[in-house]
Amino acid sequence: QKEVEQDPGPLSVPEGAIVSLNCTYSNSAFQYFMWYRQYSRKGPELLMYTYSSGNKEDGRFTAQVDKSSKYISLFIRDSQPSDSATYLCAMRGISNFGNEKLTFGTGTRLTIIP
Amino acid sequence: DTGVSQDPRHKITKRGQNVTFRCDPISEHNRLYWYRQTLGQGPEFLTYFQNEAQLEKSRLLSDRFSAERPKGSFSTLEIQRTEQGDSAMYLCASSHKAGANSYEQYFGPGTRLTVT
Repeated sequence: QKEVEQDPGPLSVPEGAIVSLNCTYSNSAFQYFMWYRQYSRKGPELLMYTYSSGNKEDGRFTAQVDKSSKYISLFIRDSQPSDSATYLCAMRGISNFGNEKLTFGTGTRLTIIP
Repeated sequence: DTGVSQDPRHKITKRGQNVTFRCDPISEHNRLYWYRQTLGQGPEFLTYFQNEAQLEKSRLLSDRFSAERPKGSFSTLEIQRTEQGDSAMYLCASSHKAGANSYEQYFGPGTRLTVT
């Protein structure tokens, strides 16, 4: 079983819809939670991070973490065609030797239909 | 632009050949990571440097793989005797030493390796 599970999709929604992306994890040591966006053949770009449980909002994006359920979510409001990309969840525990290595989900491929 | 850069962007090689990739991190970032991403998967951690010291290597990093960061700035990743299973995107990331944003890893565009 993978430490981080993410539905690979693909997920297609009409423009303007609210998008919900999710990951579950099994490692209780994970403390920091991130969402990255990756366009085709590009490197991942950090969108959101959350430490421990709680919500964080940044513009059209909201990240939620529920550590009791080992479940994290990313919501995208008023989705735009430019949001079409693969969304990767990532997480890590307390670092050893400063190593903040990330464990990623498989990514969810999202398409926003104009 | 002061982002993470990687060279080459694409590499096609024949099985058994050696290849070397380069990563230039963001200036003054002392932490550098290599990840590998295969099609339909998320990136997987390979190795980590703090300054010039290689402090952790993944089990994924077989003896054919070697990474260096000789002066604590740029890094190289070499794969010897490439195999078709090495075909992947090799991603480099860098981050600050400490502070509130020490979690934030900035990724480069990646080097896509195809082994024929």
